[in-house]
Amino acid sequence: DAKTTQPNSMESNEEEPVHLPCNHSTISGTDYIHWYRQLPSQGPEYVIHGLTSNVNNRMASLAIAEDRKSSTLILHRATLRDAAVYYCILRWNNDMRFGAGTRLTVKP
Amino acid sequence: SAVISQKPSRDICQRGTSLTIQCQVDSQVTMMFWYRQQPGQSLTLIATANQGSEATYESGFVIDKFPISRPNLTFSTLTVSNMSPEDSSIYLCSVEQASGNTIYFGEGSWLTVV
Repeated sequence: DAKTTQPNSMESNEEEPVHLPCNHSTISGTDYIHWYRQLPSQGPEYVIHGLTSNVNNRMASLAIAEDRKSSTLILHRATLRDAAVYYCILRWNNDMRFGAGTRLTVKP
Repeated sequence: SAVISQKPSRDICQRGTSLTIQCQVDSQVTMMFWYRQQPGQSLTLIATANQGSEATYESGFVIDKFPISRPNLTFSTLTVSNMSPEDSSIYLCSVEQASGNTIYFGEGSWLTVV
């Protein structure tokens, strides 16, 4: 059962970049790395996912270590609306299990 | 992206009763899942809703307590049976479209059992 480890909480200042780390040392070759976030009183929202190469989209960037045992979600300029719980998830086929996530606080 | 509608969005239920939550998607999807999120906790997968057959339940969840239906590719229901205060949670429907690897979530159904 692949698992991820994330810090319980992180703080950032508004307009600054945020690097959210995730360790997944038991990742298998077929596991995709997914990131979701959950804003207060909402369902989780897809952020980004990748397999081996770094990925960019309009919301964030995902940097994946060469050995794939860790990854980092990068928010380039944090806003107050980015305050949420961020979940790093390994997914293979239909199996998508959530860990505790990282609660990101953004200070004005 | 898929738009997911869950009903009810909130409810207060009496102990011992049952409640059925509906999940409607605006497009056909391959996979539908039901999660539970207890207060202050992360999400826990209850089951995968399979079209035309019995749902696949995760360890700790049983069909008698959480019967699930999925009559077609856009609709599923989850029933929380014989509720107790410990069932007070957010119940979330999620889906995966045939075209991609992305999972989309509904806004959740917030149940309080008194």
